[in-house]
Parts: sequence; C-alpha cells; structure tokens
Amino acid sequence: SQQGEEDPQALSIQEGENATMNCSYKTSINNLQWYRQNSGRGLVHLILIRSNEREKHSGRLRVTLDTSKKSSSLLITASRAADTASYFCATLYQGAQKLVFGQGTRLTINP
Amino acid sequence: DAGVTQSPTHLIKTRGQQVTLRCSPKSGHDTVSWYQQALGQGPQFIFQYYEEEERQRGNFPDRFSGHQFPNYSSELNVNALLLGDSALYLCASSLPVGEKLFFGSGTQLSVL
Repeated sequence: SQQGEEDPQALSIQEGENATMNCSYKTSINNLQWYRQNSGRGLVHLILIRSNEREKHSGRLRVTLDTSKKSSSLLITASRAADTASYFCATLYQGAQKLVFGQGTRLTINP
Repeated sequence: DAGVTQSPTHLIKTRGQQVTLRCSPKSGHDTVSWYQQALGQGPQFIFQYYEEEERQRGNFPDRFSGHQFPNYSSELNVNALLLGDSALYLCASSLPVGEKLFFGSGTQLSVL
C-alpha cells in the first residue's frame, strides 16, 4: 500500500498553544496536501505544497516538506477551539492520478 | 456557486441489496473521484472518472462500479452489499488532476 503514516494519531492541547502534526510517505511525490475534517463529514482543503517547495504558509498554518526524509509537517499556531477536527495528509505520487490519504490526526483543542 | 453535492445524506440497507449514490461536482469541474471512509480511518480511493470514463481504480472489488454523465455528475453503485461496506462515501471534484479536491458532505451508508 502507498498509504502514508501520520503521527500522532491523536493530539490534545490547550487553546492558544501550537499544534504540530507529521506525515510520512513512501515514494517520490508531485505534491502533498493537507485537509481538515469536522465530525466525520466532508474534507476541506487547507494547503498544497509541491515537491520543489520546502515551506508554505496560509494564515495560522505552516507546512514544511522534506523530500529527503519523505516527510511533511503541519503546524497550527495559536490554536482555537474551532480547530478541533481530524487532519489528513494526502500525497500525489509521481505518475499517479489519485490522492492517497493517510490515517489522520485527531486534534482536540481544550478551552 | 454550488459546491459538490451528494445524495442521499444517509442510507440504511440490508446485506445483499444494491445501492446507488449520486454526486454533482463543483461548477466547472470535470473530474470526479470517489472515496470510502470507515470510522476512524482515512479516505480510501475507490475510482476516478473523467470524460465519462473510469480513469483510475483503487483496490475495490467489481461490486463497486460507477458512471459519469455528460454533465460531469457521477454515480457510485455497490452490489451485493456486505456489512463491511458500512462507511462514509465521499465524492470529490477537481479540475486538473492532482490539484486540490473539493469534497461533498458524504453519504453515510449503514448495512444491516
């Protein structure tokens, strides 16, 4: 299976703290994407980073990509209760036309 | 601009029955992908449709089939339902392959 791995599987922090989630993948990619899912409903795209990029920012989100280690991290700064959700990384492997999702990290922000 | 819409929202079936799920992509999108998400798991790719053809398929049995219509809407059919088919079925649309996906809210299928 090409499915990547995410860690931790679950993360619980206090409001205002930073949250970091990690994603590892198997082979060379074209891009890596992060999605958020609230309460088991549809996923929402957060950010896309291409294989030739090392870091991207979007508001309170920061994504890094290390192709030598085949890994990515998602940092959410100054967390809010509304950030409580499951976060998934998805990879587009080279030569493929489908996104492969990881198992996700369940993030809980405590007020 | 309507996003991706899926119907029905919830569905309850019994083992052995057949089910059809429907999806309308975001306006202007021509590619539709279907995913199955079991409770507590990540979405698993079922197949992708483009120009009314199945372009790529995941590791799912032939009981899972699909169709794309000229207006880009799509259907997912599952025959001979098993208890293990109980899951959230997600439809996603996109323009260029590999760019960000827009997801519908999903259809929660329960097989009893």
